[in-house]
Amino acid sequence: AQSVAQPEDQVNVAEGNPLTVKCTYSVSGNPYLFWYVQYPNRGLQFLLKYITGDNLVKGSYGFEAEFNKSQTSFHLKKPSALVSDSALYFCAVRPLHSGNTPLVFGKGTRLSVIA
Amino acid sequence: NAGVTQTPKFRVLKTGQSMTLLCAQDMNHEYMYWYRQDPGMGLRLIHYSVGEGTTAKGEVPDGYNVSRLKKQNFLLGLESAAPSQTSVYFCASSLTGVDTQYFGPGTRLTVL
Repeated sequence: AQSVAQPEDQVNVAEGNPLTVKCTYSVSGNPYLFWYVQYPNRGLQFLLKYITGDNLVKGSYGFEAEFNKSQTSFHLKKPSALVSDSALYFCAVRPLHSGNTPLVFGKGTRLSVIA
Repeated sequence: NAGVTQTPKFRVLKTGQSMTLLCAQDMNHEYMYWYRQDPGMGLRLIHYSVGEGTTAKGEVPDGYNVSRLKKQNFLLGLESAAPSQTSVYFCASSLTGVDTQYFGPGTRLTVL
């Protein structure tokens, strides 16, 4: 069965500094990976996804994520954090070729960007 | 194009009462999902549907039932609500099982 670990419940970063939100996964075969963001009192919004190809994936709002197969990681990054990036971030995974197997989400990491 | 909508936005129930949450999508998506979100637990899948007339159990299906009589609607029912079902419920839909899921705004349910 697939699983996702987001080892940090909370990440604090100063505005203008680079940010990283960590995600590691376990899946049979090749993974299909997602990052979603949740702002207060809102539903989840898609940020980016990795299927195959370039290990560096660029997404919405200046975010990017790096797929590392050997470390089974898919860390979310941004070169310069904004206060408006403060939100709850979820990593999700499913096997790439697995029929109807649904996504499994991590527990989420709360990002706080301090002015 | 409203995307994914959920009704109601808030609800308070007493233990033992029943209710139905409605999810509607106007994107002609085949797949629909119901999740619950609890502090420290992330998002957990309750039930999902891969097409009209189909349903399947997710990670935490006990105490819930679902129906997908029309492609655009996915109903989540609680037959006898319990305090453990106090949560925020999210519906999502996707074109296929490998496509991006689009989420509704959520329903905050409190069971007293």
